[in-house]
Amino acid sequence: DAGVIQSPRHEVTEMGQEVTLRCKPISGHNSLFWYRQTMMRGLELLIYFNNNVPIDDSGMPEDRFSAKMPNASFSTLKIQPSEPRDSAVYFCASSSSGQGTDTQYFGPGTRLTVL
Amino acid sequence: SQQGEEDPQALSIQEGENATMNCSYKTSINNLQWYRQNSGRGLVHLILIRSNEREKHSGRLRVTLDTSKKSSSLLITASRAADTASYFCALLKAGSYQLTFGKGTKLSVIP
Repeated sequence: DAGVIQSPRHEVTEMGQEVTLRCKPISGHNSLFWYRQTMMRGLELLIYFNNNVPIDDSGMPEDRFSAKMPNASFSTLKIQPSEPRDSAVYFCASSSSGQGTDTQYFGPGTRLTVL
Repeated sequence: SQQGEEDPQALSIQEGENATMNCSYKTSINNLQWYRQNSGRGLVHLILIRSNEREKHSGRLRVTLDTSKKSSSLLITASRAADTASYFCALLKAGSYQLTFGKGTKLSVIP
């Protein structure tokens, strides 16, 4: 199994631009999580999908952030417009049930830099 | 705080020594998990301990959980340079699906 796949691995953009991060979960997993990691705030859950449906988006910072999961094998996290404070590493993780009793498998992350 | 707090924030030891990291929390939990993150990489699950368990082993890893003190420890025995990484505890609160992560302990193992 290839594990959780994220793209791009690195993204450098200018303030105001739209950024789209992509994630392919492990095949057969029905739960997907987007996290953001910064030095100041650590690892924060942004949004959680179960069976392609957003269950909890309370961690999404503001309306500039949106996430979709059109099918079981693909999810996107979009930031529009991007701001320098959005600079962070964004991780996608998947698990087989999402009940927290299962292991979450993390992708390698996307390092986003907004200039 | 709903997240675990790791202690110490940073730890430097010689190869072959044991490394102990602690995690304290304040809520009731369903389980507690430990993850490792190598620099520039994603998190890797190490071990899960349920609230009704007191100790678990996996290879050179030993995890203890004391729910009365709301604390857990991760012991890495006979450390290796390859163990150099950040280690995070993650809590699953009772009745929740959401894992909350601490800020981690940065372990450096000097060859």
